[in-house]
Amino acid sequence: GAVVSQHPSWVICKSGTSVKIECRSLDFQATTMFWYRQFPKQSLMLMATSNEGSKATYEQGVEKDKFLINHASLTLSTLTVTSAHPEDSSFYICSARELDTEAFFGQGTRLTVV
Amino acid sequence: EDKVVQSPLSLVVHEGDTVTLNCSYEVTNFRSLLWYKQEKKAPTFLFMLTSSGIEKKSGRLSSILDKKELFSILNITATQTGDSAVYLCAVEKQAGTALIFGKGTTLSVSS
Repeated sequence: GAVVSQHPSWVICKSGTSVKIECRSLDFQATTMFWYRQFPKQSLMLMATSNEGSKATYEQGVEKDKFLINHASLTLSTLTVTSAHPEDSSFYICSARELDTEAFFGQGTRLTVV
Repeated sequence: EDKVVQSPLSLVVHEGDTVTLNCSYEVTNFRSLLWYKQEKKAPTFLFMLTSSGIEKKSGRLSSILDKKELFSILNITATQTGDSAVYLCAVEKQAGTALIFGKGTTLSVSS
């Protein structure tokens, strides 16, 4: 199956700093990528839909100025958590899909803000 | 409002038991239903179901969809400790759109 690579796998940062998470589709072109957030023992909650070459579409309640998404190419989308706070600590997962196939997920990034 | 509901939320069984996980959904413009297994990291794909009544099988796992009653089941026979994980059900509304996930069923298999 297709491979989606997410980096880093885990990161610890100080409050007030920014963190960038990368999501790459390695063997296919993903015109659309999705960013999810998962709290412990909870399901995946969609944060935003990232479209190549255009602005991301954010779900209700997700601050677009705090969670900056860039999808500059067909194989790369980035999520930047700006001015991170401890409550932003979570597991962030990206996914990408080719039409009519299952969604492929990155390995996820566990963010801890201290 | 679209929703995907999984039951039970958690389940503890002994090795060798057979388990059935349930997923019901209410969405507009249903396209497909997917099952994923999540251990420590990102979900791994199990099945994608689009047609009613056609069982999909992979080893000890199988799944079927009922589009009339709006639900799907995931069966695991002869469970092993390695089956312990969170099983996620997700629904796709339109081609290429984000999946809507249920809260998952946490399965624990004891030896």
